Amino acid sequence: DAGVIQSPRHEVTEMGQEVTLRCKPISGHNSLFWYRQTMMRGLELLIYFNNNVPIDDSGMPEDRFSAKMPNASFSTLKIQPSEPRDSAVYFCASSLVTEQFFGPGTRLTVL
Amino acid sequence: DQQVKQNSPSLSVQEGRISILNCDYTNSMFDYFLWYKKYPAEGPTFLISISSIKDKNEDGRFTVFLNKSAKHLSLHIVPSQPGDSAVYFCAARSGGSNYKLTFGKGTLLTVNP
Repeated sequence: DAGVIQSPRHEVTEMGQEVTLRCKPISGHNSLFWYRQTMMRGLELLIYFNNNVPIDDSGMPEDRFSAKMPNASFSTLKIQPSEPRDSAVYFCASSLVTEQFFGPGTRLTVL
Repeated sequence: DQQVKQNSPSLSVQEGRISILNCDYTNSMFDYFLWYKKYPAEGPTFLISISSIKDKNEDGRFTVFLNKSAKHLSLHIVPSQPGDSAVYFCAARSGGSNYKLTFGKGTLLTVNP
């Protein structure tokens, strides 16, 4: 199995630009999670989906952030417009039961 | 408020000795606990877990202990190896069908040869 796939691995953009992060979960998993990791806040859950339906988006920082899961094999996290404080590593994870399997992450730098 | 706390940001241990990583939690609704290991530039990987109905779970060199009355769990690595050097995250799940995990901020373990 290829595991959770995230793209891009690195993204450098300028403030105000739109950023789209992509995730392909492990085949057969029915839950998908988006996390953000920073030095200050650690690993924080942004949103999670179950069977492609958003269940809890209480961790999404503000309206600039949005996430979609159009089908069981693809999800996106969009930031529009991006700000320097959005710089972090963004992880996608998927699960069938409790144990979550993480992707390699996308390191986002907003200048 | 931080419901899962790892109070030691870092720990240094000699190869062959025991590593003990600690985690405290505040939410008594947590019923399942996990440890993840993370190497630089990689995502966290699942290591070991324990249900709240148990007080110990062992897998090779890794053992997790749970003390529900103290709301405390620990991960023991014996013997420690240089390849164990990584950031270790403690995570907890609330009861029910909600698969959301709450993570601690992690402890950087360094195993010196």
